[in-house]
Amino acid sequence: DADVTQTPRNRITKTGKRIMLECSQTKGHDRMYWYRQDPGLGLRLIYYSFDVKDINKGEISDGYSVSRQAQAKFSLSLESAIPNQTALYFCATSNSSNYGYTFGSGTRLTVV
Amino acid sequence: EDKVVQSPLSLVVHEGDTVTLNCSYEVTNFRSLLWYKQEKKAPTFLFMLTSSGIEKKSGRLSSILDKKELSSILNITATQTGDSAIYLCAALIQGAQKLVFGQGTRLTINP
Repeated sequence: DADVTQTPRNRITKTGKRIMLECSQTKGHDRMYWYRQDPGLGLRLIYYSFDVKDINKGEISDGYSVSRQAQAKFSLSLESAIPNQTALYFCATSNSSNYGYTFGSGTRLTVV
Repeated sequence: EDKVVQSPLSLVVHEGDTVTLNCSYEVTNFRSLLWYKQEKKAPTFLFMLTSSGIEKKSGRLSSILDKKELSSILNITATQTGDSAIYLCAALIQGAQKLVFGQGTRLTINP
């Protein structure tokens, strides 16, 4: 089993729909992150969390919300999806002693 | 605003060539510079550089950080088609432990 699991792997949704992307990890890491990747723009940080009570906005949080249900679970929601949220979304984890991230396999989201 | 810039954005070479990828950064509270390789989906970790002037090597790949010039390079010698990928560099921000990514360099190795 993967250390960081994202579901779904692919999703097509309509404009205006609510959608949730889920991330779970077995690494035991305390820090979790959501990034989106667009061609030519690299990865940009949406939200990050240091523990279940600590949620922080990243550089592009507008239109997104998150929930840290447990240390191992961090979900990203699009309350009302729009086409420019079409992207590849990555969840990642790290801890205070391991500064390298562990990435999930990504969720490819298409909003039509 | 924290910023990481990579160059070139795209590079096409022949198998066996040597390539150098560049990364420059302007961030507050810099801790380290990381390199990742992205082939199909998830980026995979290559190097983390914290000290200036110390080269890290892994097989045909090597990387070095210059904290005076706020930059890093990734070298790949004797390239192979399997090196074709997007190479991402990212600056790790102290405290928040956020990674700020560059745009990536798409490297294509032709046989």
